[in-house]
Amino acid sequence: GIQVEQSPPDLILQEGANSTLRCNFSDSVNNLQWFHQNPWGQLINLFYIPSGTKQNGRLSATTVATERYSLLYISSSQTTDSGVYFCAVLHAGGTSYGKLTFGQGTILTVHP
Amino acid sequence: KAGVTQTPRYLIKTRGQQVTLSCSPISGHRSVSWYQQTPGQGLQFLFEYFSETQRNKGNFPGRFSGRQFSNSRSEMNVSTLELGDSALYLCASSPGIFADTQYFGPGTRLTVL
Repeated sequence: GIQVEQSPPDLILQEGANSTLRCNFSDSVNNLQWFHQNPWGQLINLFYIPSGTKQNGRLSATTVATERYSLLYISSSQTTDSGVYFCAVLHAGGTSYGKLTFGQGTILTVHP
Repeated sequence: KAGVTQTPRYLIKTRGQQVTLSCSPISGHRSVSWYQQTPGQGLQFLFEYFSETQRNKGNFPGRFSGRQFSNSRSEMNVSTLELGDSALYLCASSPGIFADTQYFGPGTRLTVL
């Protein structure tokens, strides 16, 4: 199956700093999503971005499908950005209906 | 539009029992996927249903099963619970077209004693 690797595994920042989270995947994908998991466990959708660049406020994401990676940028970080960020992909071709494969996540801690 | 709902939110069971979890998708969505999250294994895909048919299944034992009803609501069942089944169970809904965005519910946290 497809492999998804996220880096770094942990990231500690001061409020106001910028950060870049990376997601590498091992094969072609039809779907790539970035999520933020809140302290209660719910996965909050950040981006649906199988290719290209999108921005939403302080967050932006870029996926370069031909090189099999995606980046999530967080600018001017706030303490409320703390939590776990996941990248998940839907493997192209074959029987991948509804099956997102997740990376291990990046734990982000933002200190005031 | 209301989001994905899951019931119950918390559950405590003992080994050997069985459990049924419920997921109601976003109105109009026909696909429901289920995932298990544990500290050791991360987020793993269990199965996916579309229009009452299981289209895909992950690598879990037969004790894990599911179904989907005509209104797209889905249930998953775990029989003969083991300690290792303690996890957060998440369901996600999507319209059903192959590579749609998936929207997740709040999860059911299952503890097996």
